[in-house]
Amino acid sequence: GENVEQHPSTLSVQEGDSAVIKCTYSDSASNYFPWYKQELGKRPQLIIDIRSNVGEKKDQRIAVTLNKTAKHFSLHITETQPEDSAVYFCAASIRGDYKLSFGAGTTVTVRA
Amino acid sequence: DTEVTQTPKHLVMGMTNKKSLKCEQHMGHRAMYWYKQKAKKPPELMFVYSYEKLSINESVPSRFSPECPNSSLLNLHLHALQPEDSALYLCASAGQLAGYNEQFFGPGTRLTVL
Repeated sequence: GENVEQHPSTLSVQEGDSAVIKCTYSDSASNYFPWYKQELGKRPQLIIDIRSNVGEKKDQRIAVTLNKTAKHFSLHITETQPEDSAVYFCAASIRGDYKLSFGAGTTVTVRA
Repeated sequence: DTEVTQTPKHLVMGMTNKKSLKCEQHMGHRAMYWYKQKAKKPPELMFVYSYEKLSINESVPSRFSPECPNSSLLNLHLHALQPEDSALYLCASAGQLAGYNEQFFGPGTRLTVL
């Protein structure tokens, strides 16, 4: 089955700096890559996703890039704010499959 | 309605109790999921229902029993649980538009087994 690795496991950044989280996947058939943000005590929230026919997608301060050849994708957060502090999970899925394979998560702390 | 709702928010039960978790969505999604999540770990898939039929059971112990009464509702019946079953139980739904597995999570039920 699909195996997703996520790095780093923890990330501390100064407010206003950028944060980057990287994930790699093993199954070349994976074609959908969502990112979830989970604040303490809250639900995982889908913040951005990318499909395999796109190399980059941006939504305000967050962006995701995908390199299909290298089988890795990354989340970029610019101008970080304290409310960006959360656990972020990457995931991968094969078209038509019901399962999402999650990375282990990255705890992001934004220092004021 | 663009949300998945879950009740109760919190549940404390003894090992001999029987309780049920409930999940509801009105987004017309045909796939519904139960996940178990421990603190700071990714959600762990338990069950998937597709078009009200059980599609995936990830070898979950029989003390967890899912039920899908209709396309909007999903239940998880609990019986004779163990303390290690204490966790956040998340429901999710997905529309599978164009075959893409875009899942939306409910707020979860925080379960404590004494």
